[in-house]
Amino acid sequence: DAGVTQSPTHLIKTRGQQVTLRCSPISGHKSVSWYQQVLGQGPQFIFQYYEKEERGRGNFPDRFSARQFPNYSSELNVNALLLGDSALYLCASSSGGGGPSGQFFGPGTRLTVL
Amino acid sequence: AQRVTQPEKLLSVFKGAPVELKCNYSYSGSPELFWYVQYSRQRLQLLLRHISRESIKGFTADLNKGETSFHLKKPFAQEEDSAMYYCALTKYNTDKLIFGTGTRLQVFP
Repeated sequence: DAGVTQSPTHLIKTRGQQVTLRCSPISGHKSVSWYQQVLGQGPQFIFQYYEKEERGRGNFPDRFSARQFPNYSSELNVNALLLGDSALYLCASSSGGGGPSGQFFGPGTRLTVL
Repeated sequence: AQRVTQPEKLLSVFKGAPVELKCNYSYSGSPELFWYVQYSRQRLQLLLRHISRESIKGFTADLNKGETSFHLKKPFAQEEDSAMYYCALTKYNTDKLIFGTGTRLQVFP
């Protein structure tokens, strides 16, 4: 298993555009969480999905949305991009409910908004 | 408010010296505490969690509920310990992690 995978690796967008980031969890994991990491800060929780249902939402505007597919992969969408959305977006998967091994993180997608 | 505080952005020590990375938290209830580590050019990975009470790579961390702290300790630092360390908490049995701002540990030869 390659672990959690994310695509694309890097992305450059302009203000006002929309972006979709993708995540494939570890095989057998049903929970996917998204985090935003701004330079110099720790990751900040955006969403958690478990069995295709939203289980948690962080303090982010409605421009941020996500979904989980039947194969447990997930997409994070951000509309009307702002300069402040420039960050590393991390995806993490787990067996769900804070499983014994904790969460496993992907390598991230670096989003730059110009 | 739920918060994790790591007061040191950078901690530099020489090989063989003891290391203590500080972490304080505020949380109403019984949180679960973690330490995550990110080595250069690698992804964020779990180092240890308080409920496991394990020692991983020589590191230990004890949850002190009275002082609301979860400091990470190692008696003898190694060069390969150089990395970014994040303290995090979550409500028991959930996946929503709240991270601190991280401490960069540099271990010099």
